[in-house]
Amino acid sequence: DADVTQTPRNRITKTGKRIMLECSQTKGHDRMYWYRQDPGLGLRLIYYSFDVKDINKGEISDGYSVSRQAQAKFSLSLESAIPNQTALYFCATSDRWTYTFGSGTRLTVV
Amino acid sequence: ELKVEQNPLFLSMQEGKNYTIYCNYSTTSDRLYWYRQDPGKSLESLFVLLSNGAVKQEGRLMASLDTKARLSTLHITAAVHDLSATYFCAVEGGTSYGKLTFGQGTILTVHP
Repeated sequence: DADVTQTPRNRITKTGKRIMLECSQTKGHDRMYWYRQDPGLGLRLIYYSFDVKDINKGEISDGYSVSRQAQAKFSLSLESAIPNQTALYFCATSDRWTYTFGSGTRLTVV
Repeated sequence: ELKVEQNPLFLSMQEGKNYTIYCNYSTTSDRLYWYRQDPGKSLESLFVLLSNGAVKQEGRLMASLDTKARLSTLHITAAVHDLSATYFCAVEGGTSYGKLTFGQGTILTVHP
């Protein structure tokens, strides 16, 4: 099994729908992150969490929310999806020195 | 606010040639990372650079860090087609403690 697992891998949803992207990890790391990748913009941080009780906004948190259900699980929600949220989303974990990324979720909002 | 800029954003190379990707960042950092991404895939860690003057090499890739200039370079020696990918640098530290700030990425294409 992968160290960082994201589900679903691909998702097409309609404008206005609520959608949740899930991430689970087996690394035992306390720190977890959600990034969004758009062509030409690199990866931008949406939310991050240093432990179960700690949630922080990143540079582009508007329109997103997160839930840290356990040390191993960190979910990203789009409350009302809009087309400009179409992107590749990555979950990552860290032990302060190394970062491990999931395989990504390709989300299309139509 | 930490900003990270890479150049060039697009790089088309012939096999056998050498080239360098540059990564500039705006504030003090603790660590600088280089990643490789193949199309539609996840990020693969290449190097972590911790201190001024650090140099690391793996195969045809060599990364260096100059913290005084706030500059890292990724040098490609005798490029081969298998190196075609997108390369990202990312910086952690200062106001971005505990999280990575990424450059835009450099799309490298190596031609025969």
